[in-house]
Amino acid sequence: GIQVEQSPPDLILQEGANSTLRCNFSDSVNNLQWFHQNPWGQLINLFYIPSGTKQNGRLSATTVATERYSLLYISSSQTTDSGVYFCAVASGGGADGLTFGKGTHLIIQP
Amino acid sequence: GAGVSQTPSNKVTEKGKYVELRCDPISGHTALYWYRQSLGQGPEFLIYFQGTGAADDSGLPNDRFFAVRPEGSVSTLKIQRTERGDSAVYLCASSYRTSGRDEQFFGPGTRLTVL
Repeated sequence: GIQVEQSPPDLILQEGANSTLRCNFSDSVNNLQWFHQNPWGQLINLFYIPSGTKQNGRLSATTVATERYSLLYISSSQTTDSGVYFCAVASGGGADGLTFGKGTHLIIQP
Repeated sequence: GAGVSQTPSNKVTEKGKYVELRCDPISGHTALYWYRQSLGQGPEFLIYFQGTGAADDSGLPNDRFFAVRPEGSVSTLKIQRTERGDSAVYLCASSYRTSGRDEQFFGPGTRLTVL
């Protein structure tokens, strides 16, 4: 099945810093989603982005499907951005369940 | 509108017992997914329903696990003869699954503990 690798696994930043999280995947995809899992375990949808670039406030994402990677940018980090960020993909063709990476654990210190 | 809901939020059971976990998808969503998340890991896919039928059950770990969606809305995940290794958070997701787009939205999960 498709493989998903996220980097870095852990990231500690000061409030106000910018960060880039990376997601590499091993096959072509028809679905790619970024999630933020908050401390209570809820997965919050950030972006649905199988290709292209999107922005939502301080967050933006870019997926280069031909090179099989996606990037999540967080600018001007806030303590509420802390948590685990997951990239998840599906390759389609009947395999529609998402395959998740191991996540990036982000800690924003005040 | 209301998101995906799951009940119970927590379930503690003894090894060997039978459990049922319920998922109410977002109204109008045709696709429903079950995942399992162990501590420190990303969620793992279990089963996917399109309407009433299981379109892909390749992620179910063994025949102790079974899921139904009899009316194409609410789904129940059933685990027989529970084992300690079944302890995890069970997540449900749903999507509208229009052509070319299958954005999945997740519920809060059911934390299952098998003693």
